[in-house]
Amino acid sequence: EPEVTQTPSHQVTQMGQEVILRCVPISNHLYFYWYRQILGQKVEFLVSFYNNEISEKSEIFDDQFSVERPDGSNFTLKIRSTKLEDSAMYFCASAIGTDNTGELFFGEGSRLTVL
Amino acid sequence: GQQLNQSPQSMFIQEGEDVSMNCTSSSIFNTWLWYKQEPGEGPVLLIALYKAGELTSNGRLTAQFGITRKDSFLNISASIPSDVGIYFCAGPLDSNYQLIWGAGTKLIIKP
Repeated sequence: EPEVTQTPSHQVTQMGQEVILRCVPISNHLYFYWYRQILGQKVEFLVSFYNNEISEKSEIFDDQFSVERPDGSNFTLKIRSTKLEDSAMYFCASAIGTDNTGELFFGEGSRLTVL
Repeated sequence: GQQLNQSPQSMFIQEGEDVSMNCTSSSIFNTWLWYKQEPGEGPVLLIALYKAGELTSNGRLTAQFGITRKDSFLNISASIPSDVGIYFCAGPLDSNYQLIWGAGTKLIIKP
């Protein structure tokens, strides 16, 4: 069964360093998302991406964040200069987008720990 | 902004018991989604509801889309140890399928 895959599963970084989290969405899906979940809290929307551009972003997604779809299969989230409060699980998700179901399929997440 | 109010926050039950949780909103949703998240993993879609009044089952799970389109419930019958996890309701905000999420119901099964 097709699935969303994410790498790395866990990344530890020093405050101020750049981090890139990678995702391979399901191949025929058209909408891509990044969500994050701080430990013990609810899942929060960061950004949605469609037709090679950002379609929506939340207030969390400030200038330190960027997304890219560099090659037609990968979808990356970059955090330019990490802060302690960026420590969270980051989930990539994709949706087929043509069936109006609103169903998102999630990867297993990348745990980011900022020291 | 829109938000989903999910309750209860947590449930401690005996194996074999039935479980019920619900989600309400002040806004109308056209789709309700129920996800389960196990520790260290991403949310997995359990049930999707598309029409007001719809009742949908997935094994021992049953979910209903409220007639007002502002609420939904999820029932689990005859709980088993692998049902442990956090259950989230979610609804798409707009045509971009941006989801907003309930705070989750943590299910703990006492041995």
